[in-house]
Amino acid sequence: DGGITQSPKYLFRKEGQNVTLSCEQNLNHDAMYWYRQDPGQGLRLIYYSQIVNDFQKGDIAEGYSVSREKKESFPLTVTSAQKNPTAFYLCASKKEGARDYGYTFGSGTRLTVV
Amino acid sequence: SQQGEEDPQALSIQEGENATMNCSYKTSINNLQWYRQNSGRGLVHLILIRSNEREKHSGRLRVTLDTSKKSSSLLITASRAADTASYFCATASGNTGKLIFGQGTTLQVKP
Repeated sequence: DGGITQSPKYLFRKEGQNVTLSCEQNLNHDAMYWYRQDPGQGLRLIYYSQIVNDFQKGDIAEGYSVSREKKESFPLTVTSAQKNPTAFYLCASKKEGARDYGYTFGSGTRLTVV
Repeated sequence: SQQGEEDPQALSIQEGENATMNCSYKTSINNLQWYRQNSGRGLVHLILIRSNEREKHSGRLRVTLDTSKKSSSLLITASRAADTASYFCATASGNTGKLIFGQGTTLQVKP
């Protein structure tokens, strides 16, 4: 079945560490997105990529980095510069050019600073 | 930036009743979408309404859009305990495909 796989489901980070969250899709979607969700809140956009080897900052990109070397993969690195990284991270994808289609979401990674 | 404001923040109803959630937004849009999120899970796309549409149905879901008031509503009819979840509206504008999400409405349906 086609879908988006996020791993790991739970991740613990020590102060000063960089961690990388994985997002893989087999939907042949062009566009991929990373969102952050804090408890009781909506989603805020971190980074997005509409095509391989290109990505754009979202509203809260500081302290995060991404790469898009393959169409299927869009990993997110939470760097030590992100001072409050504890949150639920959601990856999504969409077929580019399909303006009237919704996103497909992964099941999320819950990151906790210890 | 949060485009959408959702109302109410929380809603508790009995099984069989209808649930109505409202969403307001600030800028012009291409379309507005509704998503559902079960606790601790990813979001699931429910329905999309284009800016030139006023009403759309899908099963027990009915969505309306009033672009003059920059608002939308989601009606779930004959609710079930399994409808218990958070519901988010999201707006799409421009050519980037970015969605801007509201804060969500938490729905509890009591059996």
